[in-house]
Amino acid sequence: DAGVIQSPRHEVTEMGQEVTLRCKPISGHDYLFWYRQTMMRGLELLIYFNNNVPIDDSGMPEDRFSAKMPNASFSTLKIQPSEPRDSAVYFCASSFQTQPQHFGDGTRLSIL
Amino acid sequence: GNSVTQMEGPVTLSEEAFLTINCTYTATGYPSLFWYVQYPGEGLQLLLKATKADDKGSNKGFEATYRKETTSFHLEKGSVQVSDSAVYFCALRGYGGSQGNLIFGKGTKLSVKP
Repeated sequence: DAGVIQSPRHEVTEMGQEVTLRCKPISGHDYLFWYRQTMMRGLELLIYFNNNVPIDDSGMPEDRFSAKMPNASFSTLKIQPSEPRDSAVYFCASSFQTQPQHFGDGTRLSIL
Repeated sequence: GNSVTQMEGPVTLSEEAFLTINCTYTATGYPSLFWYVQYPGEGLQLLLKATKADDKGSNKGFEATYRKETTSFHLEKGSVQVSDSAVYFCALRGYGGSQGNLIFGKGTKLSVKP
């Protein structure tokens, strides 16, 4: 079975540019999560959705970050404008109800 | 609030050595506890879990017992292999918590030398 699919795997862009990260959850899963991982702060939950509806976005660092889930099979995390401190690995995860979360392989983002 | 504290790494062991990675938690009620593993260049994978006191989770030779009296969930393996080299995360989901209430420790990097 296909797992959680994230794209791109790597993104390098210049400060001020818009960045869009994409995620396809596992089919049938009703929860979707976006995480950010850095050496300094570890793994942080940014936002999560249930049945395509955002439930908790208190982890989104600031208004430059936004996330959408237009349907059950696709979600985006957008950063506009991007800054060097946004450099991190961004993970998407999905789950079915209270079952354990399945993670994608992440997007390694570098903002120059 | 809920929190997870795990031992800082890195931990370096020789093959076949015994492994312990300590994890303690702070939570109200009866949380569920998890260990996730992250191999280089990959996302996190669930390694094992326990949902109530005295439960023992186990998988791939790893074990962890949910100890409510010491609020701990230490990860152990009797004989590590080079292929166990990875970062290990302890995590907690609060009692009655939604899926979003999964709180991770900072991770412990394990390196196993041949």
